[in-house]
Amino acid sequence: GENVEQHPSTLSVQEGDSAVIKCTYSDSASNYFPWYKQELGKGPQLIIDIRSNVGEKKDQRIAVTLNKTAKHFSLHITETQPEDSAVYFCAASNTGNQFYFGTGTSLTVIP
Amino acid sequence: DTGVSQNPRHKITKRGQNVTFRCDPISEHNRLYWYRQTLGQGPEFLTYFQNEAQLEKSRLLSDRFSAERPKGSFSTLEIQRTEQGDSAMYLCASSLGGLNSPLHFGNGTRLTVT
Repeated sequence: GENVEQHPSTLSVQEGDSAVIKCTYSDSASNYFPWYKQELGKGPQLIIDIRSNVGEKKDQRIAVTLNKTAKHFSLHITETQPEDSAVYFCAASNTGNQFYFGTGTSLTVIP
Repeated sequence: DTGVSQNPRHKITKRGQNVTFRCDPISEHNRLYWYRQTLGQGPEFLTYFQNEAQLEKSRLLSDRFSAERPKGSFSTLEIQRTEQGDSAMYLCASSLGGLNSPLHFGNGTRLTVT
C-alpha cells in the first residue's frame, strides 16, 4: 500500500516568517494530495489540495507544490500568524477510495 | 451546521464493555469513512461505505469492531469487549466520492478505556 512520510514533526517559526512542510509518497499511482489542519480537540480540516496534473496551487498565504517525478509535495505558509499554530497533515490518494496520511507536523508560530 | 457530526464527543468505558459511536455525514455525501487517530499520529483508515454498502475494511479492524450504515445515511461504529489499546480518537469523514473528492471530517469521539 501507499506510504506517506512527513517532515519535520515539529516546526517553530517567528510570526511573519514562512513555514515549509514536506511529504513524500511511495505509490506512483497516487494522484490527489490534500492537506489538513487540525486544531486541538477538533477533527482535521481541509486547507488546500492539489491534483497530479498540476505542479503548484496557491490560495492566499498557502501554497502547495508537487513533484511527481520525485514523488514529493510540500506545503508553504507565508507571513505566518499565531492562528496558523496547529498540526498539519498531508495525505495521498490514488482512487479517492482510500487516503493515506502522514504523521503530522506540529507548527508553532511565535508572536 | 451542515458539517459532519459525531456523538458522543467523549466516552470513558471500562475494559470489556461495549461502546457505540454515531456519525451523521454531510447530507449530500454518499461516502462515509471511519478513521482512528492516536496521539502524535495521522488518521488511520478503518473502513468506508458507499451509500449503505461497506466496501472496504482495514486489516486493523479486528472482529470486535463492526460498522453499519443503514439506509445510507448515518453510521455507527461498535467496539465489543473493549481493550485499553482501543483508546484513541475515532474520526468520521464523508465525501462526494469519486476521484479527487476530499474528505470532510467531524470532530471525533475520544474513547478512553480504563
